[in-house]
Order: sequence, then C-alpha cells, then structure tokens
Amino acid sequence: AQKVTQAQTEISVVEKEDVTLDCVYETRDTTYYLFWYKQPPSGELVFLIRRNSFDEQNEISGRYSWNFQKSTSSFNFTITASQVVDSAVYFCALRGVGSYQLTFGKGTKLSVIP
Amino acid sequence: EAGVTQSPTHLIKTRGQQVTLRCSPISGHTSVYWYQQALGLGLQFLLWYDEGEERNRGNFPPRFSGRQFPNYSSELNVNALELEDSALYLCASTKGGLNNQPQHFGDGTRLSIL
Repeated sequence: AQKVTQAQTEISVVEKEDVTLDCVYETRDTTYYLFWYKQPPSGELVFLIRRNSFDEQNEISGRYSWNFQKSTSSFNFTITASQVVDSAVYFCALRGVGSYQLTFGKGTKLSVIP
Repeated sequence: EAGVTQSPTHLIKTRGQQVTLRCSPISGHTSVYWYQQALGLGLQFLLWYDEGEERNRGNFPPRFSGRQFPNYSSELNVNALELEDSALYLCASTKGGLNNQPQHFGDGTRLSIL
C-alpha cells in the first residue's frame, strides 16, 4: 500500500517570507514517482514538478525548490520570497511503477498574507 | 494545446437522482483518470480508463461507473446519489502506458447533493 503524509494542514506566512511544505511517503515499490500539485481557490490542480525515485538531484526553478531525500522518504517543497499568488492548497502525490493512479496527501493550505 | 476539459462546471442534484459528468482529455492522451475530492477526505482515486477499457477502480461502490469513448473522452456516472457524493470531481489525462508522466487535470465538476 502507498501512503503520502502532509503533516502541515495549514500554514500562514507574510509575503516575502520563505516557506517549506513537508511531504513524507511510504511505498514498497523500488521505482516510483513523486509529484507536487497546486490547487488555487478556483479548483483546478496545476502540476508543478515530478521526481523519479532514482533521481535524487534536487532542483531549483525560480522561487521554487525541491528537496528529495530517499533515505528519509521525504519530498519537501520550498517557496522562496512568497507572494500572495502562491496562496493555494499544495498536494504531494506518489505513483508506484506498478500503479497508474496517484496517491495524494491531504494537502497543505498555504496562505500568504500581504 | 487545449487542456483537459470537463463539463458541467457545477451541478445540483437531489438524493436518489443520477448524474453524468464528462471529460475530454488533452489531444494525444489515451488514459483518463477520475478522482473525487470531498470535503475532509482529500483526493481519492475513482476510476482509470485506457484505450476504451476500465483498467482499475478505487474503493467506491458500483453505483460509480463510467466509460471511455473511441475518441478517448470519458463519462463518469453516479447512480442513486447520496449526500456524501457532494464533492469536486476531477478528471486527469496522460499518454497511456507512461506512468512516469504527470497527470494533467481539468477544472473539475462541483457536484452538490441536496
């Protein structure tokens, strides 16, 4: 069975602060894929990033960065210099190599206050 | 390129009624996934269709069903609606057989049961 845990239910930060969203996962698959999605108030899920389990290189893309630690089964997401438009619910998701559906965490609601 | 499109955007039904939700995948995508996002329950996998066949279903009763058409569009049918079926129903698509690809989501159909 696969499981994704996002321990932070809600986070509030003041604009321009950095914020890290935590994600811990469980899977028996040796090959798997991790994803982050953003869901703004309008409801659509927007794909942000994918990570393969065999690629532990971390990445920075503009104000976003991701920290994948296979040893601790974590896939954390950091927003640098947060902006009001970053306010949304962020979901971490997992898909094992033998499975085609995504297993989602419960989501973390991020509120960026001006 | 057009994204995943879903219709209708909103729907209000009463208990016991039946409803059909529609989804058109991104052009070239053959796999369609349905998810339910109910308040407090997070995103839960419902159904997966690929090449016109149902490939997998989540832990939902048989009154949740669907189909995929030759043009890869899909319908989700829910019979004998119950109050707890009130949720945002999200459709996603990928190119079939490539499970390292991100699922791209539509804007969803918000179903309210009175």
